[in-house]
Amino acid sequence: QLQLQESGPGLVKPSETLSLTCTVSGGSISSSSYYWGWIRQPPGKGLEWIGSIYYSGSTYYNPSLKSRVTISVDTSKNQFSLKLSSVTAADTAVYYCATPGIATLDVWGQGTTVTVSS
Amino acid sequence: QSALTQPASVSGSPGQSITISCTGTSSDVGSYNLVSWYQQHPGKAPKLMIYEGSKRPSGVSNRFSGSKSGNTASLTISGLQAEDEADYYCCSYAGSSTLFGGGTKLTVL
Repeated sequence: QLQLQESGPGLVKPSETLSLTCTVSGGSISSSSYYWGWIRQPPGKGLEWIGSIYYSGSTYYNPSLKSRVTISVDTSKNQFSLKLSSVTAADTAVYYCATPGIATLDVWGQGTTVTVSS
Repeated sequence: QSALTQPASVSGSPGQSITISCTGTSSDVGSYNLVSWYQQHPGKAPKLMIYEGSKRPSGVSNRFSGSKSGNTASLTISGLQAEDEADYYCCSYAGSSTLFGGGTKLTVL
């Protein structure tokens, strides 16, 4: 049974780069025709899709975040990661990783809270 | 790209049925059969309830059903139960990207 677990710093300074990792267990990140995605939820607000990476390596990003986002896969560690540059307080949120579709997200991590503050 | 439009809140009594709408455009909901619905309880990760418009994942109660007409998708919950009280989000593929709705808070009276 596929499981996901987010990890990374809980506090990031303004203007710096937010870096999170999602570790996949119960399956290989490279052996399935899956999309591996990131979604965030600011405090008290709704869900926002950040982007996804297909198992082949193709990436898809939210147009409003595209200039600041990079999603990549590390097959040797069975992980995929998110980098969001030039963060501000507006990037404070719970960040989730999820799979398997680009719009069908059946498996979610538990979420990790990231606060942007000096 | 704008978020899909959902009512901020809906309510119903136990045993009743409610419907949550999700309005998009011809570039997202209207063009693809890739609408999904998620239930989220406070402090928890979202849970997939409906995918590809009307399909239920294994383990999801058949009280939950989905449909689509034009640019609007709908989630219907029949036989409301107290544990259905949660936030609900629709989601649609939009051609190389994905959109979520703003969310609907369901209150079971």
